[in-house]
Amino acid sequence: DAKTTQPPSMDCAEGRAANLPCNHSTISGNEYVYWYRQIHSQGPQYIIHGLKNNETNEMASLIITEDRKSSTLILPHATLRDTAVYYCIVRPYSGGGADGLTFGKGTHLIIQP
Amino acid sequence: EAQVTQNPRYLITVTGKKLTVTCSQNMNHEYMSWYRQDPGLGLRQIYYSMNVEVTDKGDVPEGYKVSRKEKRNFPLILESPSPNQTSLYFCASSRDLLGKNIQYFGAGTRLSVL
Repeated sequence: DAKTTQPPSMDCAEGRAANLPCNHSTISGNEYVYWYRQIHSQGPQYIIHGLKNNETNEMASLIITEDRKSSTLILPHATLRDTAVYYCIVRPYSGGGADGLTFGKGTHLIIQP
Repeated sequence: EAQVTQNPRYLITVTGKKLTVTCSQNMNHEYMSWYRQDPGLGLRQIYYSMNVEVTDKGDVPEGYKVSRKEKRNFPLILESPSPNQTSLYFCASSRDLLGKNIQYFGAGTRLSVL
């Protein structure tokens, strides 16, 4: 998996939008951007993924720059339960499901009341 | 409800006493994996399986065994546990569909080897 760079920690006020950046400047054309989060020692949870278009689901939105070298995960109305470590991961289209996800250190997002 | 179930959730054992951590998924996924998570090292893949009777080593397989006799089960076996295997373990399952691969994780097993 290509290397990603994320800030180690961020704060956000409850009810505000949380914007988590990720740099993946060496991403290849066939690699997707995935976001997972891990709430204190629980199993990681899938959030969203995308290739080059912006994506939105019930949990979040993913904005990928036109050159695909960076992306931003947006939690539109953060709650205290969104406090977690967020991981940005790139993996190839052709990657089999058994290929391990390479989790870096992620961003520890703390939602403040 | 779609889920990956690991048992036990917590386990304390002694060096050399064989143990098995079970993992079961109800989503009919082909792929299953085991990870361990250690402070400062993130999650690392131990073993994976692409289907029944097909398993292969991940990044840190030493000291572990796995088997995949049925599609839904993927147990992790420590034949002779050592203290350096004290860790938080996660099982995951997934299906690859047109480039989309979402891994579903179990709740974790916290293992202490004394």
